[in-house]
Amino acid sequence: DQQVKQNSPSLSVQEGRISILNCDYTNSMFDYFLWYKKYPAEGPTFLISISSIKDKNEDGRFTVFLNKSAKHLSLHIVPSQPGDSAVYFCAASARTSGSRLTFGEGTQLTVNP
Amino acid sequence: GAVVSQHPSWVICKSGTSVKIECRSLDFQATTMFWYRQFPKQSLMLMATSNEGSKATYEQGVEKDKFLINHASLTLSTLTVTSAHPEDSSFYICSARGLAGTRNQPQHFGDGTRLSIL
Repeated sequence: DQQVKQNSPSLSVQEGRISILNCDYTNSMFDYFLWYKKYPAEGPTFLISISSIKDKNEDGRFTVFLNKSAKHLSLHIVPSQPGDSAVYFCAASARTSGSRLTFGEGTQLTVNP
Repeated sequence: GAVVSQHPSWVICKSGTSVKIECRSLDFQATTMFWYRQFPKQSLMLMATSNEGSKATYEQGVEKDKFLINHASLTLSTLTVTSAHPEDSSFYICSARGLAGTRNQPQHFGDGTRLSIL
């Protein structure tokens, strides 16, 4: 039962353009969402998070949008840079599960120069 | 930023060997550490939650006698894969979270351990 889904295994964009990574979830108890970036043979690096009391959180080039009614969140990267090329995981947690994170399958982002 | 160190980064050993993986939080005290396993092109799957000074909580389907977890201090958790077999070959990653009571504090991950059992 995949409670967090990233339906696009890969995404390719041109340098300078916007990258939009999507994530859907099914568990209505999730109230905290995070995006992580992962390079090969390294652990995930925290990028940005959002609480369910918000619908948008911005940090530099990264913005996360949350649509609770649709159980959907997205990560926008603008402008995209070649160094952004990595696998991006969304993750969610529920107050009832403490700090336990449930991860999506990841999306491989490639930013072409 | 917070740093989590995981060691070793790569292990190749014979079937039947027990392998210990260490996870250390270098600049903060981690009351909770998490152990994940990742198969190629798949998501990170939580194996167990390790709380300092108490027994680990294992996810459904994870054998606690196979994957021994010890969290003896606020900066160190270890995962021991006992009598490892080829099917245990995987990428194991730990993460750490800081002070208790701050659920929305992000987990910080180590760089993972690639375990290959021959």
